[in-house]
Amino acid sequence: KAGVTQTPRYLIKTRGQQVTLSCSPISGHRSVSWYQQTPGQGLQFLFEYFSETQRNKGNFPGRFSGRQFSNSRSEMNVSTLELGDSALYLCASSSQASQETQYFGPGTRLLVL
Amino acid sequence: AQSVTQLGSHVSVSEGALVLLRCNYSSSVPPYLFWYVQYPNQGLQLLLKYTTGATLVKGINGFEAEFKKSETSFHLTKPSAHMSDAAEYFCAVRRGTGGFKTIFGAGTRLFVKA
Repeated sequence: KAGVTQTPRYLIKTRGQQVTLSCSPISGHRSVSWYQQTPGQGLQFLFEYFSETQRNKGNFPGRFSGRQFSNSRSEMNVSTLELGDSALYLCASSSQASQETQYFGPGTRLLVL
Repeated sequence: AQSVTQLGSHVSVSEGALVLLRCNYSSSVPPYLFWYVQYPNQGLQLLLKYTTGATLVKGINGFEAEFKKSETSFHLTKPSAHMSDAAEYFCAVRRGTGGFKTIFGAGTRLFVKA
């Protein structure tokens, strides 16, 4: 099976712009979660989607949003970018049951100038 | 609220020595516990997990961890370090129900000296 893929892998944006990141989960996986990783804050949970519905949400401002499509692919969007949004954004997919393993993609590294 | 504390942001061991990475958690309900490894410029790879059952969990690459409820700990060990073990390790906790909201520790970077 192909692993979790994330596109693009690297991205440079300027403050005030918006960005959309994409995640394709492992085939058959219906849950997709997003995490932000920064040197200062570590790994922080953004949100989780299951069958096109947001099931959990972390403590991030409304500028961070996401969605999931019927084929389980997910996108996250960050509007009005700030310098502090520079981070590695990781996507993880999993099957239905919550005790199952999350499989992580390689991440998208976003740099905001 | 759940939280995870990893003791020591950096750990250095000699090749062949015991690896011990410490993790303590707090959770209001029985949690699921995980250890992940991250190599530079890569995503996270699961080393092992505890959900239910046997408290001593064996993972990949010779790692194991023991769930100790009385100590709220889930320390990661490996009897003999290898140069390839140098990476960052994350302990994580997740509630047993309600989806995949996972809380990660701050991470421990493992250095292995030749």
